[in-house]
Amino acid sequence: GDSVTQMEGPVTLSEEAFLTINCTYTATGYPSLFWYVQYPGEGLQLLLKATKADDKGSNKGFEATYRKETTSFHLEKGSVQVSDSAVYFCALSALNAGNNRKLIWGLGTSLAVNP
Amino acid sequence: DAGVTQSPTHLIKTRGQQVTLRCSPKSGHDTVSWYQQALGQGPQFIFQYYEEEERQRGNFPDRFSGHQFPNYSSELNVNALLLGDSALYLCASSLSPSGISTDTQYFGPGTRLTVL
Repeated sequence: GDSVTQMEGPVTLSEEAFLTINCTYTATGYPSLFWYVQYPGEGLQLLLKATKADDKGSNKGFEATYRKETTSFHLEKGSVQVSDSAVYFCALSALNAGNNRKLIWGLGTSLAVNP
Repeated sequence: DAGVTQSPTHLIKTRGQQVTLRCSPKSGHDTVSWYQQALGQGPQFIFQYYEEEERQRGNFPDRFSGHQFPNYSSELNVNALLLGDSALYLCASSLSPSGISTDTQYFGPGTRLTVL
């Protein structure tokens, strides 16, 4: 079945460091790919998305490119801030025969950014 | 534009009790999905409602049931609560034009359920 694998955390960085969180997927068909972020004590917020191969999603300085050849959707940011400390979830959404979608989630990667 | 809202924000119950959680979708959305997120884990899909019917379901027992109302709001009911039901319950809404669900889901802040 469809699945998402993302790198284990926690990840600890200093402010202004470069961030990469790896995400790979397995899916039949052509899924859409997402990164969601969860700040402490809050619900999930959509960070960025990509719906087809070679699309690049971007938001708030974060970027991820849909790579079909490597089945990857790695999250990157050139210079992290303390306010980026959160848990980041990679997810995919595929349409099944019943025209239904549900999100398949990675386990989440906790990021802590120190001043 | 109102986003997804959930109530209550926190709830404490004892084993064996029943609980009802509520969700109002984002304006213009007609599909509601429910997820359970245990502490330190990713969300687990419970079920999805569209046109007042359960459209698909995850691997959860029948103790978990739901409902969608004509105004697209939704309820999640859990009967015979177990300690393991303690979690953050998330509601997400999306749009399903012509019955085909779109891929982007927007989440509410969640309801934190504690079972003692």
